Amino acid sequence: DVKVTQSSRYLVKRTGEKVFLECVQDMDHENMFWYRQDPGLGLRLIYFSYDVKMKEKGDIPEGYSVSREKKERFSLILESASTNQTSMYLCASELGREGNQPQHFGDGTRLSIL
Amino acid sequence: GESVGLHLPTLSVQEGDNSIINCAYSNSASDYFIWYKQESGKGPQFIIDIRSNMDKRQGQRVTVLLNKTVKHLSLQIAATQPGDSAVYFCAETVEGAQKLVFGQGTRLTINP
Repeated sequence: DVKVTQSSRYLVKRTGEKVFLECVQDMDHENMFWYRQDPGLGLRLIYFSYDVKMKEKGDIPEGYSVSREKKERFSLILESASTNQTSMYLCASELGREGNQPQHFGDGTRLSIL
Repeated sequence: GESVGLHLPTLSVQEGDNSIINCAYSNSASDYFIWYKQESGKGPQFIIDIRSNMDKRQGQRVTVLLNKTVKHLSLQIAATQPGDSAVYFCAETVEGAQKLVFGQGTRLTINP
C-alpha cells in the first residue's frame, strides 16, 4: 500500500512565525501535492510538484512556498504565518508516469495559527 | 468528530441496506474520476476510480457508475456497515492535467 506520512498531526504556531510542514511518500511517486481543507470550501490545491526541484502553483499559492529537494519529500512553507492560514493541510502523492492515477493522501496536519 | 464541510448533503441509511451517493461533475472533457472516503480525523482514502471509456466498474462491495450524457457519477455501497460512516467525495480530471477537481462531499451516516 501507498504510504504518505505527514510529520505532525497537530501544530500550533504564532502569527509571523515561519512554519514547515513535511510530507514523505514511500512509493517512488513522481507527483506530490499540498492541499488545504476548510469547512464549506472543500479541498483547495496550494502547490504541486512533478519532479525533484520542480514546482507549480495551484489555485491558492499566496502566502505559501514549497520545496522538493528529494523525490520522496515535499515540504510546505508558510513564510510568515497568519491566522487565515489556520486549516487542515493534506499532502498527496501520485504515480505520475503514465496516464491518470489516483492521488493518495496522508492523514493531514491540523495547523492553528494564534 | 471533525467536520470536513459545513452543510454537507447527508445520506442516512440502515445498516445492511445499500447506499447510493451521487456526484454531478462540471467538465464535459473530464475523462478520469475517483471516489474518496474521508473518516473523521483522517485524510481522504482512495476507494475506486473509473475512466470515461467505461460506464461501470466494480470493487469489493462498491460499484461506480458513470453517465457522461448528464455528467453524473454515482457510488453504490452494498450492505452498508457502521465502518462505512464517513464523508464521500468525487474528483474529476482531464488526462494529463495533473490536477484533480474535488466535489464538496456527502456525509453518510449509518443507523443501527
